[in-house]
Amino acid sequence: GDSVTQMEGPVTLSEEAFLTINCTYTATGYPSLFWYVQYPGEGLQLLLKATKADDKGSNKGFEATYRKETTSFHLEKGSVQVSDSAVYFCALEDSNYQLIWGAGTKLIIKP
Amino acid sequence: NAGVTQTPKFQVLKTGQSMTLQCAQDMNHNSMYWYRQDPGMGLRLIYYSASEGTTDKGEVPNGYNVSRLNKREFSLRLESAAPSQTSVYFCASVRDSPQETQYFGPGTRLLVL
Repeated sequence: GDSVTQMEGPVTLSEEAFLTINCTYTATGYPSLFWYVQYPGEGLQLLLKATKADDKGSNKGFEATYRKETTSFHLEKGSVQVSDSAVYFCALEDSNYQLIWGAGTKLIIKP
Repeated sequence: NAGVTQTPKFQVLKTGQSMTLQCAQDMNHNSMYWYRQDPGMGLRLIYYSASEGTTDKGEVPNGYNVSRLNKREFSLRLESAAPSQTSVYFCASVRDSPQETQYFGPGTRLLVL
């Protein structure tokens, strides 16, 4: 079945560092891909998405490019802030229009 | 426009007790979902409702029941709580596919002793 694999956390960085959180997937066809973010004490919220190969999703300085050849959707940000500390979830939409979730990656940004 | 609301925010139960988690959305979405979130396991789908009057099992439905009371409300019931049901529960309201976007409530933290 479809699945999503994320790098294990926590990922700890200093403010203004470059961020990459890896996400790879296994799926039939070409699913839509998503990154959701969960700030402490809150529910998840959509950060960005991409619906076809080579699409780049972007929001709040975060970017992710849908790479069909490597089945990846890595999340990047050029300069992180303390306020980016959260748990980040990668997900894909399966053929039944349901989301398949990765385990989440906790990001800690130190001032 | 409150989005998705959940009650209660936190609950402690003893093994064998029952409770109902409430969820409501004001976005006029057809689909609603219940997830549980456990450390290192991401989100697991318990039940979902594609439209008013319909419900379907997700990945981990055992020990739970749901009711889609109307288009706005989707409740999750634990008839006889077990320690394995200690988790954080999230309700989501779903904008229609194919470009599905899920809107989450703030969660209910449940501790079963």
